[in-house]
Amino acid sequence: QKEVEQDPGPLSVPEGAIVSLNCTYSNSAFQYFMWYRQYSRKGPELLMYTYSSGNKEDGRFTAQVDKSSKYISLFIRDSQPSDSATYLCAIIRGAGGTSYGKLTFGQGTILTVHP
Amino acid sequence: DTEVTQTPKHLVMGMTNKKSLKCEQHMGHRAMYWYKQKAKKPPELMFVYSYEKLSINESVPSRFSPECPNSSLLNLHLHALQPEDSALYLCASSLGLQETQYFGPGTRLLVL
Repeated sequence: QKEVEQDPGPLSVPEGAIVSLNCTYSNSAFQYFMWYRQYSRKGPELLMYTYSSGNKEDGRFTAQVDKSSKYISLFIRDSQPSDSATYLCAIIRGAGGTSYGKLTFGQGTILTVHP
Repeated sequence: DTEVTQTPKHLVMGMTNKKSLKCEQHMGHRAMYWYKQKAKKPPELMFVYSYEKLSINESVPSRFSPECPNSSLLNLHLHALQPEDSALYLCASSLGLQETQYFGPGTRLLVL
């Protein structure tokens, strides 16, 4: 079982739709949660970062963390064609251990928003 | 400014060549990372430097040799690579090991 599971999609939605992207993780030592967006042939770009359960909002993006269920989500409101990209969840363990600082990625979800 | 720069953008090399990838950041970050990314896969961690010392080596073959000359620079020296090493090589940096990582645009490497 992978430490972080993410449905690779692909996901195709019409412009203006609400998009929901999800990851689950298995290790309760994971404490810091990020979402990255990666356009084709580019480096990952940080979208959201959180370390506590609950919601964090930034413009059209909302990150949600449920540590009790080991479940994280990213919601995109009013999706635009420019949101078409691969979305990667990424998680960092807490302090201690040989993997301290190691970022564990989900497989990435390919999203297409069509006009 | 959250910019990590990488040079070159593209690199083509033969299996007997020696080349280097360069990464630079001026954000005062003390942790720097090398990742390898194959098509349609997430980035895979190769090396982590913290305060210019190697803290994680993910069992990477010795034909990849990292170097951190100072707190702003990170190099990856390449020698005798194989065609399966062709990939996007990403550099990232963070303030500390548990902090947000910022990625550069990557170097697209092709080994012939």
